[in-house]
Formats: sequence, structure tokens, C-alpha cells
Amino acid sequence: GAGVSQSPSNKVTEKGKDVELRCDPISGHTALYWYRQRLGQGLEFLIYFQGNSAPDKSGLPSDRFSAERTGESVSTLTIQRTQQEDSAVYLCASRTGGSYEQYFGPGTRLTVT
Amino acid sequence: EDQVTQSPEALRLQEGESSSLNCSYTVSGLRGLFWYRQDPGKGPEFLFTLYSAGEEKEKERLKATLTKKESFLHITAPKPEDSATYLCAVRGGATNKLIFGTGTLLAVQP
Repeated sequence: GAGVSQSPSNKVTEKGKDVELRCDPISGHTALYWYRQRLGQGLEFLIYFQGNSAPDKSGLPSDRFSAERTGESVSTLTIQRTQQEDSAVYLCASRTGGSYEQYFGPGTRLTVT
Repeated sequence: EDQVTQSPEALRLQEGESSSLNCSYTVSGLRGLFWYRQDPGKGPEFLFTLYSAGEEKEKERLKATLTKKESFLHITAPKPEDSATYLCAVRGGATNKLIFGTGTLLAVQP
């Protein structure tokens, strides 16, 4: 079946502009995660959605970062007033409610110039 | 604080030369240890989940083992196509999050 998809695959933006990244999880997966991966570093947790529960936003680095999810489908990660340190690969993952094995999308490479 | 440390950072092997990657962890009440493979420019690909000390899982040339403080990913007779970054992650306590290590970059030369 179809895996997790993310768009765009690459995004170049100017410092100070807002960007929106999209994630389409695997159908039927109730949980969805966003991670940030800086060059040469591990995955940094950003936010977690589970069904209709309040999201776990504990990993968001600043109030410039926000995310939404509609039901158990698409999620968008928005970064306002982008800074150069926001340059990274943003990964989305989803899983079923009964397992903690996460399945990742290909990521969006964000470059802030 | 939950923590995952992977070693070595990088490993270069000749084709057929078996070796092991290490993942040491500190977590309050391990609820799962996960191994992933990540190819350049792609998202991590799930390999294994281990839940309790003594557990082992195998897939082709890979075998993952778990003790109370660390996990090993054993690679037997590796091939060039096994070249990738291998990531380890843990889930602890009541959290829904995974804590990832920084990975081991494996290069297998023909």
C-alpha cells in the first residue's frame, strides 16, 4: 500500500518568510509525528498527534512553529518568519494505535537563505 | 533524562567482514527499542523492535539483540547494499515519543 508522503520534497525560502510543509500519513494510522533532522544530527521530536486528543507540542523549538492535523488525515507544519537555523530536513511519521513502530515519509528539505 | 548513544559514529567494512553496531541507552522503564536504516536523502526505514532483555530478531544479514543497558545490531557478511546510516531509538515510561541516537554511518566496500 501507499506509504507516508510529504510535500514539497525541497523548499528554498528567504529568511523571514513563512513556509508550510505537508504530510499525508498511511491510511488508518491514528498517530502522526513531526521530526527535524539537522545535517549530521539525530532526529529531533517536534510534535505528536493521536486521534482527537490534544497534541503533544513539547518538542516545538519556538512559537514560530505550529502544526495542525485534521482528524486522522493530513497534517501541516508551519514555520513563521523563517530563520537560517531552521534549515533542516523535516520528517513526518505515522503509526497505528496499537504499535509504536513508526513509518517515515521521505522528508522535506528546507533551506533558508 | 532518557538518552541514547550510538557507537561508532562511522564504520567502514570490507564486503563479507562481519561486525556489530552498539546502542547504549538510559531510559525510565523501557517500553521498546527500535532500529531503523536511513539511506541518503530518504526517511528512516523500520527494521526491528525489541522489548525485553534477551530478545533477538533477525532479518537477512542483520540480527538485533537487547540487554538491560544496550542493544547490538550484528551484520553478518555485509554487502555494499547494506551501506546506510543505522539509527537506534527508545521509548520509555508512559511517553508516546521515541528518543533517537545520532546513528552509525556504515560503509561496506566491495
